[in-house]
Amino acid sequence: NAGVTQTPKFQVLKTGQSMTLQCAQDMNHEYMSWYRQDPGMGLRLIHYSVGAGITDQGEVPNGYNVSRSTTEDFPLRLLSAAPSQTSVYFCASSYSLAGGSFSAYEQYFGPGTRLTVT
Amino acid sequence: LAKTTQPISMDSYEGQEVNITCSHNNIATNDYITWYQQFPSQGPRFIIQGYKTKVTNEVASLFIPADRKSSTLSLPRVSLSDTAVYYCLVGDMVNQAGTALIFGKGTTLSVSS
Repeated sequence: NAGVTQTPKFQVLKTGQSMTLQCAQDMNHEYMSWYRQDPGMGLRLIHYSVGAGITDQGEVPNGYNVSRSTTEDFPLRLLSAAPSQTSVYFCASSYSLAGGSFSAYEQYFGPGTRLTVT
Repeated sequence: LAKTTQPISMDSYEGQEVNITCSHNNIATNDYITWYQQFPSQGPRFIIQGYKTKVTNEVASLFIPADRKSSTLSLPRVSLSDTAVYYCLVGDMVNQAGTALIFGKGTTLSVSS
């Protein structure tokens, strides 16, 4: 198993550009999420999904869109990049027993995407 | 969601036992306590999880008192490679509404030789 993969590893954008950060997992996990990590801020939850077709907002959703058309993929779209979105982005996935809480189980994190917006 | 409070940083020397305490005064009945470890330039990884009393695995021990308002992660005989950020999280184990896992700033542990 490759686990959780993220592409690209590094990206530089100009203000106003849009792009999609890719996240994929091959563990058949229902739950997937996106975090951003700024220096000294810990990880902040952007969006999460409890299954294909279902997404919800986290702590800091503004400026980001997500969709979940398949169990495996959970892309994060930056609509119009701003310097404040310069950060490291982590994708994570987890499983759960049917109907149960996903936070109960180990979250598997990807290697991260380092994004710089100039 | 129960809020957690943990020290911003801790220093230790190789071979010492390190105890990181996390406060979660508003923990609910269905909440479990989970600790993650994050090395520089990597995503966090799961260390240990518990509900009450003591849990031990090959990496660490987790002590949870009866009132569950705090928990202590214990790392025995740390080495330089244990230098990392440690996060304490509290999450609902039963209801899917408690799914969103919220990280704080964590505790930066620095181990010196």
